[in-house]
Amino acid sequence: DVKVTQSSRYLVKRTGEKVFLECVQDMDHENMFWYRQDPGLGLRLIYFSYDVKMKEKGDIPEGYSVSREKKERFSLILESASTNQTSMYLCASRGGGGATSTDTQYFGPGTRLTVL
Amino acid sequence: GNSVTQMEGPVTLSEEAFLTINCTYTATGYPSLFWYVQYPGEGLQLLLKATKADDKGSNKGFEATYRKETTSFHLEKGSVQVSDSAVYFCALSVGGYNKLIFGAGTRLAVHP
Repeated sequence: DVKVTQSSRYLVKRTGEKVFLECVQDMDHENMFWYRQDPGLGLRLIYFSYDVKMKEKGDIPEGYSVSREKKERFSLILESASTNQTSMYLCASRGGGGATSTDTQYFGPGTRLTVL
Repeated sequence: GNSVTQMEGPVTLSEEAFLTINCTYTATGYPSLFWYVQYPGEGLQLLLKATKADDKGSNKGFEATYRKETTSFHLEKGSVQVSDSAVYFCALSVGGYNKLIFGAGTRLAVHP
């Protein structure tokens, strides 16, 4: 079975702190994604990566950056956390035939981040 | 642009009742359509998918048919169980990188 793990289930940070959210997948997938989940808004794509060191902006990239130095790991960075970034963050990975594959995305359990 | 609209919840049903969760979409091109489920405290799991018009996706007693003429992908189950209580997300995938675009989610609560 595909396994996507995220470094923390719950995280509390203060405004202005730099925050790292880590995601690791064990299926050698090319594509990885970061979403945030907010009530009434569903999931919104922040960034995605289709290969090592490659990244693309999603729908709401402002205030975030990402890093993909190794194929299995995709990090989301909040350079200076703000209270409006309090949310559930979900990582996903997808294999298949590269960037245009319609294969399934597999999700991690999520990190609930609270910024005070 | 591309978007997904699904019925607002919560949907509250008794065990063995019939379930329908409506989902309609707007998309350029020919999207693939998905239903994902999120059980309490967990990430999302793929429930079913359909990649072209008139395809029917099915899994665990749930079904959805890709209807291009009505741009819909409604989720149905003939007899729900308490264990089906979860949040259900409709999504579409289209475009150069086949990114997923999600609806807002519908919470289902099934009571014994």
